[in-house]
Amino acid sequence: QKEVEQNSGPLSVPEGAIASLNCTYSDRVSQSFFWYRQYSGKSPELIMSIYSNGDKEDGRFTAQLNKASQYVSLLIRDSQPSDSATYLCAVNYGGSQGNLIFGKGTKLSVKP
Amino acid sequence: DGGITQSPKYLFRKEGQNVTLSCEQNLNHDAMYWYRQDPGQGLRLIYYSQIVNDFQKGDIAEGYSVSREKKESFPLTVTSAQKNPTAFYLCASSLQTGLMREKLFFGSGTQLSVL
Repeated sequence: QKEVEQNSGPLSVPEGAIASLNCTYSDRVSQSFFWYRQYSGKSPELIMSIYSNGDKEDGRFTAQLNKASQYVSLLIRDSQPSDSATYLCAVNYGGSQGNLIFGKGTKLSVKP
Repeated sequence: DGGITQSPKYLFRKEGQNVTLSCEQNLNHDAMYWYRQDPGQGLRLIYYSQIVNDFQKGDIAEGYSVSREKKESFPLTVTSAQKNPTAFYLCASSLQTGLMREKLFFGSGTQLSVL
């Protein structure tokens, strides 16, 4: 059974701090990793994708991938109250998007 | 504006009733998907379609049916066989499947509740 694990939170950080969200996955053949942001009652929105080991930065967001340890993380610098949402980690195990497995999400709360 | 349109936003089902959720996209995407989300849970795949007139079961297809008669449309029917249908249903599309880097674009969702 392929699994994607996330700490459900809530993760609470003060405004301006760095929020660190983590995700582990069970299958070493995984090659594509995605972070989606979902506001309450809304649909998920893709914010980051990463495919190779290391860091990928996009504005205040940095995705980090370590395939040897089977984890992927998302760092949010200078956290804002508008970043308060649930962050879903998704892993593609290969073949097609039918193989995309989502974690249960981590709820982030940024306090002013 | 290009996008994915789901309707209705809220839907109520009576016991023993079949209901159909609509999903239309004008992104010219080949692949379309239906996911179910329960409170505090991740997304679980119900059905997906890579091409017109073809679709595959996902992890939780029992009690659901789909059709793909047009590239733009992928309706989901929740049948009376689905005994616990209350959930948030999300339709998504991607340019084409089979590519592991393909990104999903989601509609705004339909909240289905049982009366």
